Amino acid sequence: EVQLVESGGGLVKPGGSLRLSCAASGFTFSSYSMNWVRQAPGKGLEWVSSISSSSSYIYYADSVKGRFTISRDNAKNSLYLQMNSLRAEDTAVYYCARGGVVIPFDYWGQGTLVTVSS
Amino acid sequence: DIVMTQTPLSLSVTPGQPASISCKSSQSLLHSDGKTYLYWYLQKPGQSPQLLIYEVSNRFSGVPDRFSGSGSGTDFTLKISRVEAEDVGVYYCMQSIQLPYTFGQGTKLEIK
Repeated sequence: EVQLVESGGGLVKPGGSLRLSCAASGFTFSSYSMNWVRQAPGKGLEWVSSISSSSSYIYYADSVKGRFTISRDNAKNSLYLQMNSLRAEDTAVYYCARGGVVIPFDYWGQGTLVTVSS
Repeated sequence: DIVMTQTPLSLSVTPGQPASISCKSSQSLLHSDGKTYLYWYLQKPGQSPQLLIYEVSNRFSGVPDRFSGSGSGTDFTLKISRVEAEDVGVYYCMQSIQLPYTFGQGTKLEIK
């Protein structure tokens, strides 16, 4: 069974930093691309970032480019999102999602809430 | 960016009745490889999104056959042949032909 478990969310002040983690199990992590998708409170879904299986290809939404860094450790079956210079508009539940062979997001974690507030 | 527009934004359906959601994209989602990169997700209350349909009309593993997807180019439809209570939630269409991947605003399905 595919399992994705996010952690690392919390309350942070504007301008601060946070590092999210996603622990994967139930599949060969190193064979799949991985993604972060966020959802602001009461709002819709927004793609944030993607990383290929070997980290060769990395993409970001314009809204986070230059502030967020996606990475992965295939030996630890883990995905990360380093978030710097956080803004109030980054407040959201952040989901980790697996990228299937033909499907961008086939399995999702339960999400971790990031709140940026003074 | 490709804009995904869903209609209606909400619908209330009696159990056993059909439901239909439309999704229109601002650009064609037909790729030169012949595939159309349109997906449907359902986010049940308090849960993370789950994949229903990929590449317009293919049901994901475990998705009941009362869900079906159709369409081409820029116009797509998700249909539920007979709505059940467990189908409540917000439905999103999404495109992946071009970065950034973009979602529709969501359609909230309620049971009458």
